Amino acid sequence: DTGVSQDPRHKITKRGQNVTFRCDPISEHNRLYWYRQTLGQGPEFLTYFQNEAQLEKSRLLSDRFSAERPKGSFSTLEIQRTEQGDSAMYLCASSLDLEEKLFFGSGTQLSVL
Amino acid sequence: AQTVTQSQPEMSVQEAETVTLSCTYDTSESDYYLFWYKQPPSRQMILVIRQEAYKQQNATENRFSVNFQKAAKSFSLKISDSQLGDAAMYFCAYRRFRDDKIIFGKGTRLHILP
Repeated sequence: DTGVSQDPRHKITKRGQNVTFRCDPISEHNRLYWYRQTLGQGPEFLTYFQNEAQLEKSRLLSDRFSAERPKGSFSTLEIQRTEQGDSAMYLCASSLDLEEKLFFGSGTQLSVL
Repeated sequence: AQTVTQSQPEMSVQEAETVTLSCTYDTSESDYYLFWYKQPPSRQMILVIRQEAYKQQNATENRFSVNFQKAAKSFSLKISDSQLGDAAMYFCAYRRFRDDKIIFGKGTRLHILP
């Protein structure tokens, strides 16, 4: 078990382009979370899945953002029509259950030019 | 709304010494969890220690211990015998009981001086 994997590690894009990030949680972890971390701030909750069901979305997640977790395995986070304000690190985390330890990936650093 | 405040943006400590990182939080809930996470340059957040609010005993994990003052809504982290590998950003965090969302503070950058 290699932990939570995120791809790509870095993404540079031009404003207005669409980007997609992938997260592979630890196998058998049914809870998967997305957080966003901007410079000088702690991570902020975006959304989470229990298996394939997306159960909560933050108000930070505008309708340009969409997340999926088909078949309850890996997850993707897509940002459409990127804006400079979307520049941040996007962190994925997973856990076996609500009361179990949360494991984080190393994040995808997005830079929107 | 729940908030987590870390008033020390940066701290330094000599190797082998003890350092305490401060955290305060605001909540109207009685059941919740508090955490300290470490984020090294590799960027991967790692759980350092966890405290359940209903437990009066302060949590400890090897060289890491907390001072949990529920009435004062204070949750400080003490690192004993500091090591070079302890250099990182440390985030205090809160989670309401039975809620999946974790609320993080802004972090404290800890430098270890050799």
